[in-house]
Amino acid sequence: NAGVTQTPKFRILKIGQSMTLQCAQDMNHNYMYWYRQDPGMGLKLIYYSVGAGITDKGEVPNGYNVSRSTTEDFPLRLELAAPSQTSVYFCASRPPQGQETQYFGPGTRLLVL
Amino acid sequence: GQQLNQSPQSMFIQEGEDVSMNCTSSSIFNTWLWYKQDPGEGPVLLIALYKAGELTSNGRLTAQFGITRKDSFLNISASIPSDVGIYFCAGQLGDNTGKLIFGQGTTLQVKP
Repeated sequence: NAGVTQTPKFRILKIGQSMTLQCAQDMNHNYMYWYRQDPGMGLKLIYYSVGAGITDKGEVPNGYNVSRSTTEDFPLRLELAAPSQTSVYFCASRPPQGQETQYFGPGTRLLVL
Repeated sequence: GQQLNQSPQSMFIQEGEDVSMNCTSSSIFNTWLWYKQDPGEGPVLLIALYKAGELTSNGRLTAQFGITRKDSFLNISASIPSDVGIYFCAGQLGDNTGKLIFGQGTTLQVKP
């Protein structure tokens, strides 16, 4: 298994541009999450999904959109990039049952200028 | 929103020393987790705690789930240079969403 994969690793955007951060997992996990990590801070939840076709807002959803058409993929969309969205973005997944916790991808570093 | 207060913010220690860090919350969590993040990487789970009062070890790491369910600590014994990184505590809500609330992190530097 590749685990949780994220692309791209790094991206520079101009203000107002849009982009999609890709996240995929091959562990057949139902639950998936998007976090952002600002310098010197912990991770804050943007959106999450408990299964294909179901998404919900986390703590900091403004400026982002998500979709979950398949179990494997959970893309995060920025429609109008703003400097405040400069951050490192982490995707995570976990199975629904038992006491398993979240497995994280390697992150996407985004710079908005 | 819910917050976790993690301390200390950073530590600079000598190789071989023991390290202790902790997290407190105003909310009750069902699960406490400790993650380590290396530069340029995602967080990796170190220890998961599922019951109040639980004390769990993973090699040189020991963590406890506070009896009030509002706090947790992590100890690292006999630190080595590869312990360098950022350590995060996280509390998992008991609402079947698996959502995590993270502390601000403790940056650990180990001097050989």
